[in-house]
Amino acid sequence: DVKVTQSSRYLVKRTGEKVFLECVQDMDHENMFWYRQDPGLGLRLIYFSYDVKMKEKGDIPEGYSVSREKKERFSLILESASTNQTSMYLCASTFGGAYTEAFFGQGTRLTVV
Amino acid sequence: EDKVVQSPLSLVVHEGDTVTLNCSYEVTNFRSLLWYKQEKKAPTFLFMLTSSGIEKKSGRLSSILDKKELFSILNITATQTGDSAIYLCAADGKYIFGTGTRLKVLA
Repeated sequence: DVKVTQSSRYLVKRTGEKVFLECVQDMDHENMFWYRQDPGLGLRLIYFSYDVKMKEKGDIPEGYSVSREKKERFSLILESASTNQTSMYLCASTFGGAYTEAFFGQGTRLTVV
Repeated sequence: EDKVVQSPLSLVVHEGDTVTLNCSYEVTNFRSLLWYKQEKKAPTFLFMLTSSGIEKKSGRLSSILDKKELFSILNITATQTGDSAIYLCAADGKYIFGTGTRLKVLA
């Protein structure tokens, strides 16, 4: 089975802290994605990566950065956490090319106080 | 700007009812439309639709795509309480998701 693992299920951080959310997949997928999910807003794409060291901005990249140094790992970084970044964060991965389903991690519920 | 829009945002029905969930999209380089079900945790894959007019079916769930009018529907017949979830659609490629439809099925 494909496994996408997010390092933490729950995190509480203080305003201004630098926060790292880690995501690892074990299926040699080319593409990886970071979303945040808020009630009524669905999944909004923050960043995605289609190859090692490659990244593309999604719809809401402000306040976030990403790192993909190895194919299996995609990190989301909140440079200076703010309370409006309190959310559920979901990581996903897919094979490259067309017609591929996404596999999701279990999500990280981040609270910024 | 690419976008995927779902309607309704939420829906409450009784067991046994039939529901239709809608998903419209405007996406460059569109390839496929995917439906997911999300209960408490990660979304789980339901269907991938690539061709117009061909219905995909799994038990009481079915879905169809109209590439001319740029929309898809997900039907659930004889709903059960276990169908209560958020239903998400996404356009393949950049994987843009809609806002989701929150379905609640009452016993």
